Amino acid sequence: QVELQQSGPGLVKPSQTLSLTCVISGDSVSTKSVAWNWIRQSPSRGLEWLGRTYYRSKWYNDYAVSVKSRISINPDTSNNQFSLQLTSVTPEDTAIYYCTRGTCTGGSCYSDYWGQGTLVTVSS
Amino acid sequence: EIVMTQSPATLSVSPGERATLSCRASQSVTSNIAWYQQKPGQAPRLFIYSVSTRATGVPARFTGSGSGTEFTLTISSLQSEDFGIYYCQQYNNWPPQAFGQGTRLEIK
Repeated sequence: QVELQQSGPGLVKPSQTLSLTCVISGDSVSTKSVAWNWIRQSPSRGLEWLGRTYYRSKWYNDYAVSVKSRISINPDTSNNQFSLQLTSVTPEDTAIYYCTRGTCTGGSCYSDYWGQGTLVTVSS
Repeated sequence: EIVMTQSPATLSVSPGERATLSCRASQSVTSNIAWYQQKPGQAPRLFIYSVSTRATGVPARFTGSGSGTEFTLTISSLQSEDFGIYYCQQYNNWPPQAFGQGTRLEIK
């Protein structure tokens, strides 16, 4: 059974960096048939995919256009986890952030396991 | 970017009745459609993938159908535990995962 455990601060000041970590149990961050995603949810934007990291003989990343200049998703093979960093946050980045595992067939991946969610509020 | 549109926004159905939820994609997504259920304070839960394949533990009263750009989630005989918000998601085109705005299913 796959479990994803999220951690990170729930309050971030404007212009600072949002950092979250997702620890994986029951799978490996290096598994070749999956992708590891960050998705956020807010009343104004709904469910919004932010980006992913995945291993296919080397590491790849994809990022949503809306956050591409501010986002970084990194795998940590030593601790079997992956992380999200979002820089220069504004109140519009206030949302519940989820990490997910994407199960993939031919490059198309749906999220079958989700972390518990972290409410991140951007406020001074 | 692809846009997913769900209808209706809210659906009120009595226990034992059938519920039909619709999802339309702005371009073809072949068969790469999933449905998720979300209850208050919880993460979304995968219910259906590849249009019609039920995830582990999902009751047989949930049926997914459709192709191309039009998809449907049908609940044949609504139970009280089926309330929540249902989201469709495409995972065929860019962005890799795109969600509809959700249909809130209320028990009448």
